[in-house]
Amino acid sequence: DAGVIQSPRHEVTEMGQEVTLRCKPISGHDYLFWYRQTMMRGLELLIYFNNNVPIDDSGMPEDRFSAKMPNASFSTLKIQPSEPRDSAVYFCASGQAGLTYEQYFGPGTRLTVT
Amino acid sequence: RKEVEQDPGPFNVPEGATVAFNCTYSNSASQSFFWYRQDCRKEPKLLMSVYSSGNEDGRFTAQLNRASQYISLLIRDSKLSDSATYLCVVNGDNAGNMLTFGGGTRLMVKP
Repeated sequence: DAGVIQSPRHEVTEMGQEVTLRCKPISGHDYLFWYRQTMMRGLELLIYFNNNVPIDDSGMPEDRFSAKMPNASFSTLKIQPSEPRDSAVYFCASGQAGLTYEQYFGPGTRLTVT
Repeated sequence: RKEVEQDPGPFNVPEGATVAFNCTYSNSASQSFFWYRQDCRKEPKLLMSVYSSGNEDGRFTAQLNRASQYISLLIRDSKLSDSATYLCVVNGDNAGNMLTFGGGTRLMVKP
């Protein structure tokens, strides 16, 4: 079975550029989570969706960040414009209703903004 | 104050040793507790849930002390393959969908 798929795996971009991260959750999972991990702040929840609807985006750092889930099999996290402090590993995870404590993480996208 | 606090380590132990990690959480209303494991440059994966009565899974034992808001993980007979970062996790909302992760404790098991 395919797990959570994320692309790209690595992204290097210059400050001010737009960055789009992509995620395909596990089929049948109705929850999708976006996290960011840095050495300083650890793993932080940015936003999560249930049945494609954003439920809590209180972790989104600022208006430069936006996330969408147009259908059950695809989500994007966009940063526009990007800044060096956005450099981190961004994980997407999915889970099932009633079992959302067991979240299946994708391999992550390592973002470097220069 | 962080919602979930852990000693970052690293804990350097020889193979076969017993090692324990602790974690404290600040939200007394938290209902569910877990340990996740994260290998170097990999994604986190669920290791085990933590039940009020304590629970064991092979060489791993998890304990919860609600009064002290304290969670522990004990690893017996450490293996080289146990080397990883162990993340203490607490559910962060009433619905139980949001997880709050601690910063992790790094374990290095040496031959």
